[in-house]
Order: sequence, then structure tokens, then C-alpha cells
Amino acid sequence: SQQGEEDPQALSIQEGENATMNCSYKTSINNLQWYRQNSGRGLVHLILIRSNEREKHSGRLRVTLDTSKKSSSLLITASRAADTASYFCATDGEGNNRLAFGKGNQVVVIP
Amino acid sequence: GEEVAQTPKHLVRGEGQKAKLYCAPIKGHSYVFWYQQVLKNEFKFLISFQNENVFDETGMPKERFSAKCLPNSPCSLEIQATKLEDSAVYFCASSQSVTGLGYTFGSGTRLTVV
Repeated sequence: SQQGEEDPQALSIQEGENATMNCSYKTSINNLQWYRQNSGRGLVHLILIRSNEREKHSGRLRVTLDTSKKSSSLLITASRAADTASYFCATDGEGNNRLAFGKGNQVVVIP
Repeated sequence: GEEVAQTPKHLVRGEGQKAKLYCAPIKGHSYVFWYQQVLKNEFKFLISFQNENVFDETGMPKERFSAKCLPNSPCSLEIQATKLEDSAVYFCASSQSVTGLGYTFGSGTRLTVV
């Protein structure tokens, strides 16, 4: 079944550095979304990029989408300790009936 | 309200006991989704509702799991005769559309089966 699948990563960076994580998926999509999960909490929606968009910005977040490669990347610039979380991408390819979430990337930002 | 409210936050059940979890979606959101997260890994889709109707139940285990969304009541997810492998965090999310907009998630119910 299709799922957004992150490259399994545990990323540890210094505050102020940029963090990049990737996601690949298998079938066609209408949109791809990124979410953040802080420890012990639910997912928080960060950004949505539609299949006809190549890049989108929101604050310190930059998302790219390459539909030919079926992949997306999330860049967090000038990271802060508060960005420490797990990041999940999600796609709508499961017959468009719901979002399918991948495994998640854990990011630790060291103050 | 503007948040998805899940209760209880924690639930401990002995193997074989029943567990019932509740979710109050955001007012005005037509869709409710239940996901299961085991060991902070991926989110397994269970079931979704469009208002009080089951929209997609392809992720629900056929036995022991059931769910409802009745008018003017919180949605519920019930597990009969819990097993150790049911231990997980169960998240509810609501949205105004199936996949075209972001989902708003609750904080989850941590179910521990002992």
C-alpha cells in the first residue's frame, strides 16, 4: 500500500544549523503534507504542498516536491531547541480516503 | 472548540478487559479519523467517519474493535477483550475534508494492556 516513507533518520544538529529530511512515496498523489510530533503529543500539521507545486515556504520551513521522483524534502532553517521532534510526511494516495503516514524522522536540536 | 479532545489520556486494562476511548472532534469538521501508533512508529489507520457514518473501515481489525460517531456525542473507539499487542497510543483527528486539508489531531490516549 502507498505510504509516505521518510528516509529513516535520527538527526542530531546544533542550534542554528539547518535540518533536512526526505520522504518518498509510491503512487500518484494530489498533495503531500508534513507533520511534527513532539514527545507524548499528537501530530501538528506543518505544511501542505499540492502535486502541481514544486516548492512551498512557511516561516522557517521549506518543502519541495518532485513528482517525477515521487519524493519530497522538508528543510528547517536556523533550527531551535524547540524544533526537537519527530517529523512525518503523509500522502493521500490510498484511494483518496485518508492520509497515509510514514515512519517519521527524529530530529534533536542541541542548544 | 478548536481542539480535538481525547479522553482519557491514559488507560490501563488487564488482558481480556474492555477498553473504551473517546474523541470530541472540532465543531464543523465533518471527518473523524482514528489512528494507532505503536512505539512512536508509524501511524496505522483504523477507521474514519463522515459525520455519523462510517467512511472507511478498511484498517479496523475485524474482531474486537468497533467505533461509533453518534450525533451530539463524542466519537468512541472500543476494544473488546484487549490483548497485549493492543498497547499503543490511539490518536483521533478531525478535518473538514478527507485529504485536501490538514488534519487536527488530539493528544492521544495511551492504552496499556497488562
